[in-house]
Amino acid sequence: AQSVAQPEDQVNVAEGNPLTVKCTYSVSGNPYLFWYVQYPNRGLQFLLKYITGDNLVKGSYGFEAEFNKSQTSFHLKKPSALVSDSALYFCAVRVGMTTDSWGKLQFGAGTQVVVTP
Amino acid sequence: AAGVIQSPRHLIKEKRETATLKCYPIPRHDTVYWYQQGPGQDPQFLISFYEKMQSDKGSIPDRFSAQQFSDYHSELNMSSLELGDSALYFCASSQGPLAVEEETQYFGPGTRLLVL
Repeated sequence: AQSVAQPEDQVNVAEGNPLTVKCTYSVSGNPYLFWYVQYPNRGLQFLLKYITGDNLVKGSYGFEAEFNKSQTSFHLKKPSALVSDSALYFCAVRVGMTTDSWGKLQFGAGTQVVVTP
Repeated sequence: AAGVIQSPRHLIKEKRETATLKCYPIPRHDTVYWYQQGPGQDPQFLISFYEKMQSDKGSIPDRFSAQQFSDYHSELNMSSLELGDSALYFCASSQGPLAVEEETQYFGPGTRLLVL
């Protein structure tokens, strides 16, 4: 079965420090990986995706993610965290693609990021 | 930029009642997805539509049905509501099918359904 795992329920970081949110994947074939962020009482906001190409993907709000095939990981990173980055972060993989369907997103359990001033 | 619109944003229903959730995709997006997010859980895929046809089906109860209309908006109809249906329901839209590299799902703010 294709899936993603987020091993940390919560990540705590001080403002200005680097932020890393971990994600590992298990897929057959080429993985299509995504990061979304969810603020309280808000929808999921797309941050970035990896489909193919450069292993380092740059996204919105200063976030980037590194695709590592040998370690089957797709960690989200930000060099300098802001208090406003405090939110719930989801890693997702697209599964179930066929000739008739783009498939759907299968999400990890989510990681709560808390950035303290 | 225009985003996905969902209505209502909040809905309170009694058990065994029915509910209809609406989703208006981003302009020129022809694919719509529905997800359910229970309290403290990750979103779970329910169903999707492309060009008004159902394209994929997930863990959607038989009590739920959905459709996509000619203007590409979608409605999720929920009948015989149960307490366990209380959740945040997201709609997402995308422009497909382009090259797979182009397909990104953009989510609406969600409808929070509470069943009492």
